[in-house]
Formats: sequence, C-alpha cells, structure tokens
Amino acid sequence: EDQVTQSPEALRLQEGESSSLNCSYTVSGLRGLFWYRQDPGKGPEFLFTLYSAGEEKEKERLKATLTKKESFLHITAPKPEDSATYLCAVQAWGQGGSEKLVFGKGTKLTVNP
Amino acid sequence: GAVVSQHPSWVICKSGTSVKIECRSLDFQATTMFWYRQFPKQSLMLMATSNEGSKATYEQGVEKDKFLINHASLTLSTLTVTSAHPEDSSFYICSASSLLDNSYEQYFGPGTRLTVT
Repeated sequence: EDQVTQSPEALRLQEGESSSLNCSYTVSGLRGLFWYRQDPGKGPEFLFTLYSAGEEKEKERLKATLTKKESFLHITAPKPEDSATYLCAVQAWGQGGSEKLVFGKGTKLTVNP
Repeated sequence: GAVVSQHPSWVICKSGTSVKIECRSLDFQATTMFWYRQFPKQSLMLMATSNEGSKATYEQGVEKDKFLINHASLTLSTLTVTSAHPEDSSFYICSASSLLDNSYEQYFGPGTRLTVT
C-alpha cells in the first residue's frame, strides 16, 4: 500500500528563518511526487511535480528535492505570507491514464513577522 | 490556465435531504476528475475517480449509492450526497486532470463546505 508521511506536523518559524519540510514515501513505482500549498478553507494549490531521484525544482523561496525514499521542501528566508499547510502526495504507475494521488497529512507552517 | 471551479462554495442542509456539488474545468478538458473529502485537521482522502462518459471508480469504504458521481462532459462532474447525515459534514474538493498535456498533474477546485444539521 502506498504511504506518505510528512514531518513535522507543525512548524513555527521567524520571518527570514530558513527550514525544510520532509515527506517520506513508499510507493509501488513512483510516477510523480507532488507538493501543494493549502490555505484554510481553500483547495490545494499546485507547487511542484518531481519525477525522478535527484530532480530539483525552485519557485521563489521554495525548492523541492527528491530522493528514492523522501522529498524535501526547503523554504529560504520565509515571509508571513508563506504561512499555510504544505501537502505532499505521490502518484503511482498503474493501468490507464491519470492515477490517484495519495496524500500525507501535511505540515502546517506558521511564519511570524 | 488550469482553473477548476466548484459550486456551491458552502451549503447547509437538513438530515435526510440530498445535495449536489458541481465541479467544472474552466479552461481545459478534463479527461479525469477526482473527488476528495477532507475532515478538520486531516488530509485529503480520495473518494472516487471518474472518467468522462464512464462509471466512477470508488475507493474502498465509500458507498457508491450514497455518493453519486456523474461525469457527463469533459468540463463537468457532479457529486450528489444522498440522504445526508451529520457525519457527512465535511469539506469536499474536486480535482481535474488532462492526459492531453502528459503531465498527470491534478488541478484542484476551491472546495465545498457541507454542513448537515
């Protein structure tokens, strides 16, 4: 069974204090690993897709990396507006076209000014 | 691009009634749409996957006769919660993907808050 574990559950940072969020996964053939941002009462907002170990992607203050067992979301010099819950999800190879996403429970990030 | 809308954004209904939630892909054709449920402080749990013109595939433990899914066109899917009960109160989120761009990425709607009284 595909599983995703995110840590920590919650993280409080001061503005400008860089840190990393972890996503550990087990999957029967990884098609892709996805990072989303979710604000309270809203749907997830797509951030990154990583397809193979060693791949890295960046967007503003965020950088996502991938190994064969885990992914990290690095946040450099965060701002209060980066406060949100960050969700990690994996998608496995299977029959047919689009495949379902298996989500972790998320990391709630709070950045204090 | 890749915008997904949901309607309504919130709904309150009485126990025993049915509620329909719409999910639309506004600027692309969605070959597949997914319905998720999210309880407070929990992650998204997939309920069902639907392909246009086909019957939905439900996840284990999800009652297909209670949660009716219709995906009649490439831009619209509906979820009907039949005979709703308070335990069905949750945040329902749809997502849509298209094989046409070969990315398998899912684009999420803003969610629908259902409260059953």
